[in-house]
Amino acid sequence: AQTVTQSQPEMSVQEAETVTLSCTYDTSESDYYLFWYKQPPSRQMILVIRQEAYKQQNATENRFSVNFQKAAKSFSLKISDSQLGDAAMYFCAYRSDGKSTFGDGTTLTVKP
Amino acid sequence: NAGVTQTPKFQVLKTGQSMTLQCAQDMNHNSMYWYRQDPGMGLRLIYYSASEGTTDKGEVPNGYNVSRLNKREFSLRLESAAPSQTSVYFCASSLTTGPDYGYTFGSGTRLTVV
Repeated sequence: AQTVTQSQPEMSVQEAETVTLSCTYDTSESDYYLFWYKQPPSRQMILVIRQEAYKQQNATENRFSVNFQKAAKSFSLKISDSQLGDAAMYFCAYRSDGKSTFGDGTTLTVKP
Repeated sequence: NAGVTQTPKFQVLKTGQSMTLQCAQDMNHNSMYWYRQDPGMGLRLIYYSASEGTTDKGEVPNGYNVSRLNKREFSLRLESAAPSQTSVYFCASSLTTGPDYGYTFGSGTRLTVV
């Protein structure tokens, strides 16, 4: 079974600074996707970014980018120019066989 | 607005009561999922439906049943609620079960069993 580990239960960042959230996973599959979801206090889960395992180029969506290290099974999320609205819980997720496995989440606090 | 709609948003049950959580999506997605989220933990899969007419168990199916009523609707039933089922429940949908598709989530149902 696949597992997803987020080793940082909580992180904080100063507004306008950069923060990196860590995620590692374990799988024997070769074809899979990785995702980061954001869950703000409203509780609504929002897809932030996704990465295909076969693509070497790291995905980028505006201020959000990933550092995907396939051999190390690592998938970190970098948030640049952090904004107050980025405060949320972030979940890393793995998907290969029709359903996703989620990490336990990292709560990000943004300090003004 | 297009998306996934869950009802109710909040519910308090007494131990032993039953209830059904409703989920509907209007994005013509084939796959639908029920997850639960407990404090300090990630989402754990209860049941999923890869396509209309099929359902499969996830990681934590005990105490739950599901019905894929049609392509749009996927309900989750608690037959005899227990305090251990106090949680936030999320319904999600995806175009297919293919790994390249992310989920669209509903806004969740906060269930308390006393």
